[in-house]
Amino acid sequence: EIQLQESGPGLVKPSQSLSLTCSVTGYTITSGYDWSWIRKFPGNKMEWMGYISNSGSTNYNPSLKIRISITRDTSKNQFFLQLNSVTTEDTATYYCARAPYYFDYWGQGVMVTVSS
Amino acid sequence: EIVLTQSPTTMAASPGEKVTLTCRASSSVSYMHWYQQRSGTSPKLWIYETSKLASGVPNRFSGSGSGTSYSLTINSMETEDAATYYCQQGSSYPDTFGAGTKLELK
Repeated sequence: EIQLQESGPGLVKPSQSLSLTCSVTGYTITSGYDWSWIRKFPGNKMEWMGYISNSGSTNYNPSLKIRISITRDTSKNQFFLQLNSVTTEDTATYYCARAPYYFDYWGQGVMVTVSS
Repeated sequence: EIVLTQSPTTMAASPGEKVTLTCRASSSVSYMHWYQQRSGTSPKLWIYETSKLASGVPNRFSGSGSGTSYSLTINSMETEDAATYYCQQGSSYPDTFGAGTKLELK
């Protein structure tokens, strides 16, 4: 069974970087598909942030392009999100998910609050 | 980017009632996908490529539409169907989601 699990700090200070890990079991991330980050804001708006493909290429939401980086560690079957220069507007629940076109497997989500 | 507008924002349905949720796209998309999210859990893929039910989804659910207008229909509302439903398009970069329809049990 394919499972994704997010991990990372639940509290980040404004202007700092947010870093999250998605650990994948039951499927090798280099075998296929795209591996995405999605966030859900308070109030329920959802935003696709970007993905890293099975070949290692990346694609980001233009709204985040200058602040976001998605990387991976294939030896650990993990991929990572880094979001720089966070503000309180980045407070959200962050999910990792498998794509493309639609998201068929999701992690349980990690709530991240940006606050001093 | 393509904006997805879901309606209604909130609705309540009685057990056995037929329910239709709508998603309209600001430009034509090839497919629409739908997710169900219950409180405290992650979204679950519910309908993909407009009309295909994801694994485990009861056949009282159906999806239809084309171009800029799509819908999710529940043939006969059941208690377990109370949740928020989101539409999503992956046809045009960047992927976008609707704001959700909260479906409550009357």
